[in-house]
Amino acid sequence: GAGVSQSPSNKVTEKGKDVELRCDPISGHTALYWYRQRLGQGLEFLIYFQGNSAPDKSGLPSDRFSAERTGESVSTLTIQRTQQEDSAVYLCASSLGELLTGELFFGEGSRLTVL
Amino acid sequence: AQSVAQPEDQVNVAEGNPLTVKCTYSVSGNPYLFWYVQYPNRGLQFLLKYITGDNLVKGSYGFEAEFNKSQTSFHLKKPSALVSDSALYFCAVRFSGNTGKLIFGQGTTLQVKP
Repeated sequence: GAGVSQSPSNKVTEKGKDVELRCDPISGHTALYWYRQRLGQGLEFLIYFQGNSAPDKSGLPSDRFSAERTGESVSTLTIQRTQQEDSAVYLCASSLGELLTGELFFGEGSRLTVL
Repeated sequence: AQSVAQPEDQVNVAEGNPLTVKCTYSVSGNPYLFWYVQYPNRGLQFLLKYITGDNLVKGSYGFEAEFNKSQTSFHLKKPSALVSDSALYFCAVRFSGNTGKLIFGQGTTLQVKP
């Protein structure tokens, strides 16, 4: 597809379950970002990939959160033992490799609800 | 610490009037500044960016922004607002020397009334 694709678009899970969110970046985009957006709040940086390495994972809130990326393609964000405070929209974005000047292209997000 | 601030949670303007959405930043190196817009139930879209050169940058949908180094600001402007401009606007910053992380402000809701 032409844009960043995220799946699932909506996920409802029970507290304590693990969830996996997927992001397909725009073809050829080497940089990939994950952000979290809680209801009515701004974007919270989680992790950034350049290729399949993660130079900055400073935003991951706890060791329950992890992410990986295969080459310069798909990324998955995994949340283990979900808690209610994990409920949010998880946004993925990709960018051509200009480290500082390239704009991000966002997917429509995965809305996670933890009951 | 590097940060970006949007001091207004909401801005209300009448259609046809000029609009300004404020953004200030705090970085230790050269800033690279961006504006994004989020329409209801849609993903974020890039509007414009300042990298270097002219302080006034023009972007999508008739928006422009002015980089002011002395005031560390990057306010978003439009000469004549449309009802369809109503959305959530985010300012974001990267700075030289960081890893490429883009830091976002908390967002400003723009409401344009007919």
